Amino acid sequence: QKEVEQNSGPLSVPEGAIASLNCTYSDRGSQSFFWYRQYSGKSPELIMSIYSNGDKEDGRFTAQLNKASQYVSLLIRDSQPSDSATYLCASEAQAGTALIFGKGTTLSVSS
Amino acid sequence: EAQVTQNPRYLITVTGKKLTVTCSQNMNHEYMSWYRQDPGLGLRQIYYSMNVEVTDKGDVPEGYKVSRKEKRNFPLILESPSPNQTSLYFCASSILAANNEQFFGPGTRLTVL
Repeated sequence: QKEVEQNSGPLSVPEGAIASLNCTYSDRGSQSFFWYRQYSGKSPELIMSIYSNGDKEDGRFTAQLNKASQYVSLLIRDSQPSDSATYLCASEAQAGTALIFGKGTTLSVSS
Repeated sequence: EAQVTQNPRYLITVTGKKLTVTCSQNMNHEYMSWYRQDPGLGLRQIYYSMNVEVTDKGDVPEGYKVSRKEKRNFPLILESPSPNQTSLYFCASSILAANNEQFFGPGTRLTVL
């Protein structure tokens, strides 16, 4: 069974701090990885995708991928209360037919 | 406005009463998928479709049916709902495949009594 594992949290950080969210995946053949954000009662929305080893930056968000360790992370710099949400890590499975989602990490940013 | 719509948004029904949850997208996307989200279990794929008339099972297809007769629509059918199908359901679409950005509908909260 292919899996994506995340700590459920909650992860609590003060406003302005760096939030670090991590996930591991079991399918060594996965090539594409995604971070979705889900506010309470809302649908998931994509915030970052990453396909190759290393870092990818987009504004306050940095995704990191290490395929050898099967590890994906998301850093949120200068965290804001509006970043409080559940963050879902996902990996591609079965040649683009599916995403395997982790159970999500809840982030709480206090002002 | 580019969007994925689902109807109904909320539904309470009884065991065994057939129901359909509709999903429609206006982005001309090839790929569509249905997920259910349950506390402690996360998002799990029910069925997906790579194109018109092409559908396949996801991780949890038991008790569900789908069809893809037109590119924009991907209805989810519960022929005989049971209480274990009480869940939050999301439809999603992407331009070609699951590994492109998926756009999610607003969700349908289903309760089966």
